[in-house]
Amino acid sequence: ELKVEQNPLFLSMQEGKNYTIYCNYSTTSDRLYWYRQDPGKSLESLFVLLSNGAVKQEGRLMASLDTKARLSTLHITAAVHDLSATYFCAVLRPQGGSEKLVFGKGTKLTVNP
Amino acid sequence: GAGVSQSPSNKVTEKGKDVELRCDPISGHTALYWYRQSLGQGLEFLIYFQGNSAPDKSGLPSDRFSAERTGGSVSTLTIQRTQQEDSAVYLCAVRDRYNYGYTFGSGTRLTVV
Repeated sequence: ELKVEQNPLFLSMQEGKNYTIYCNYSTTSDRLYWYRQDPGKSLESLFVLLSNGAVKQEGRLMASLDTKARLSTLHITAAVHDLSATYFCAVLRPQGGSEKLVFGKGTKLTVNP
Repeated sequence: GAGVSQSPSNKVTEKGKDVELRCDPISGHTALYWYRQSLGQGLEFLIYFQGNSAPDKSGLPSDRFSAERTGGSVSTLTIQRTQQEDSAVYLCAVRDRYNYGYTFGSGTRLTVV
């Protein structure tokens, strides 16, 4: 069974600081996703990582994927308050003719002024 | 999210009543998913529809839950004899056509009292 673990689950940081969120998964997959969720809102797609070594950047966020280590990271550079949200990673699990995303528990990020 | 409309946005129902949740993928995606997000369980896969293939119902938590997709478009998730543990946000998602991504609807927040 595919398991996805994120850490930390809670992260409080000051504006201007850097930090990394980690996403480990237990079985081989070649697709990994990062989503952002604001309170009371749905999931907003941030990154789709499709291959080993993939790196994508958008603003202060950068995501990478190491399929051999079964690890993805979401790096936050010079955090600002607007980045406060919950961040989820999800791994695609194809199975027979079906497929589904298996989610981590999420990392609740709070950026303090 | 753009491309997926869900209704109602909020539903309060009495324990034991049946409820029907609706998902309308605006642009006719072939792959459609239902997920449930609850405080204790995180994001859980419920069901997957792909074209005319038999749906993957492996995530439905009990036989009180059922879903259908008519005409390859609108999908309804029905919960019979609701229980308090059914309280959660029910999210519909579609697979994007061109970039391997998944777009989530705004969700239906179900509260069973």
